[in-house]
Amino acid sequence: QKEVEQDPGPLSVPEGAIVSLNCTYSNSAFQYFMWYRQYSRKGPELLMYTYSSGNKEDGRFTAQVDKSSKYISLFIRDSQPSDSATYLCAMSGNTGGFKTIFGAGTRLFVKA
Amino acid sequence: SQTIHQWPATLVQPVGSPLSLECTVEGTSNPNLYWYRQAAGRGLQLLFYSVGIGQISSEVPQNLSASRPQDRQFILSSKKLLLSDSGFYLCAWGRGTGGYEQYFGPGTRLTVT
Repeated sequence: QKEVEQDPGPLSVPEGAIVSLNCTYSNSAFQYFMWYRQYSRKGPELLMYTYSSGNKEDGRFTAQVDKSSKYISLFIRDSQPSDSATYLCAMSGNTGGFKTIFGAGTRLFVKA
Repeated sequence: SQTIHQWPATLVQPVGSPLSLECTVEGTSNPNLYWYRQAAGRGLQLLFYSVGIGQISSEVPQNLSASRPQDRQFILSSKKLLLSDSGFYLCAWGRGTGGYEQYFGPGTRLTVT
């Protein structure tokens, strides 16, 4: 079983839709949960991170962490064509050292 | 503000040839530095990380090596490339001990032929 599972998609939505992206994980030692956005042939860009369980909002983006279910989500409200990218979840914690585990990424297409 | 540079942007190398990829960071001091490889359709694989000059930790045993000769310079090397070394190589810098805040460079696309 992979430490982090993420549906690769692609996920296609119309402009203005609410997008839900999700990851599951198996290591209960993870404490930090991150979301990165990666445009084609570019390096990933950190969108937001949360510590432990709960919600965090930043503009149109909301990150949720449910440690009891080992499940994290990223919601994008009022999605725009410029949101079309691959979204990577990532996790780190007291697993020994500085290792961050990344999901494989979900490709999102927002149609105008 | 901080910026991170990587070069070259693309590279095509024959099997058995050497490799040297360079990464530099501006606008911060004593950053944690990371090398990742991203294969098509797969997540990022951590190759090396460094918490200071000359301090390198390897995550995956392979024919690659890393060095940090200066505080904000990180180099990825190989003496003899394999076909399996093809991929998208990303350098990142971060702060804090949790690895939760990492900022990536533009990447180097390596094709081994």
